[in-house]
Amino acid sequence: NAGVTQTPKFQVLKTGQSMTLQCAQDMNHEYMSWYRQDPGMGLRLIHYSVGAGITDQGEVPNGYNVSRSTTEDFPLRLLSAAPSQTSVYFCASSYWGTNTEAFFGQGTRLTVV
Amino acid sequence: AQKITQTQPGMFVQEKEAVTLDCTYDTSDPSYGLFWYKQPSSGEMIFLIYQGSYDQQNATEGRYSLNFQKARKSANLVISASQLGDSAMYFCAMREATSGTYKYIFGTGTRLKVLA
Repeated sequence: NAGVTQTPKFQVLKTGQSMTLQCAQDMNHEYMSWYRQDPGMGLRLIHYSVGAGITDQGEVPNGYNVSRSTTEDFPLRLLSAAPSQTSVYFCASSYWGTNTEAFFGQGTRLTVV
Repeated sequence: AQKITQTQPGMFVQEKEAVTLDCTYDTSDPSYGLFWYKQPSSGEMIFLIYQGSYDQQNATEGRYSLNFQKARKSANLVISASQLGDSAMYFCAMREATSGTYKYIFGTGTRLKVLA
């Protein structure tokens, strides 16, 4: 009964380093997404996926890559970290439809120095 | 285009009183869903309540109710009998069916502080 598992919880990167935030769900949800949360700006959509092999950009996609090779996993890659990417990142999943709630991971607090 | 607006960055309410958190939205899609989430200081996101665009009655879940005014495109959250544990950040969100993407869009949030 894991739900949405997001790792790591905390990460410090140096400018220019790359890393992957992991997200896995065990609810067979078609829809998965990544958000970043910054003070005063709410949750902003980075990338989302409507199924395995299908991804699309959200509001703030620059500097991030995603892929969806399986229904369960939706990793977020930072190619060359910048201080502007310091944020709290959330992965979420849900079924299709306008009436289905999103289930969130615990969040990753990322600091880029 | 999808848009959610929460104009109250912060709110205070006295314990046991009711409080209304504002949310307005913009969409051209006739089919959409409106959601409220709570984020306590521990950081997790907790789903509170849902309202569908075709629902005739306002949604209620315990002490939470959603004041849905479709013509005004507003979906305000009402918390009755506030408790200290209600102190948290609250996010309004919308999901529409445009192009089959079902993107979830969130507002900027309202931080609620319940006073003893």
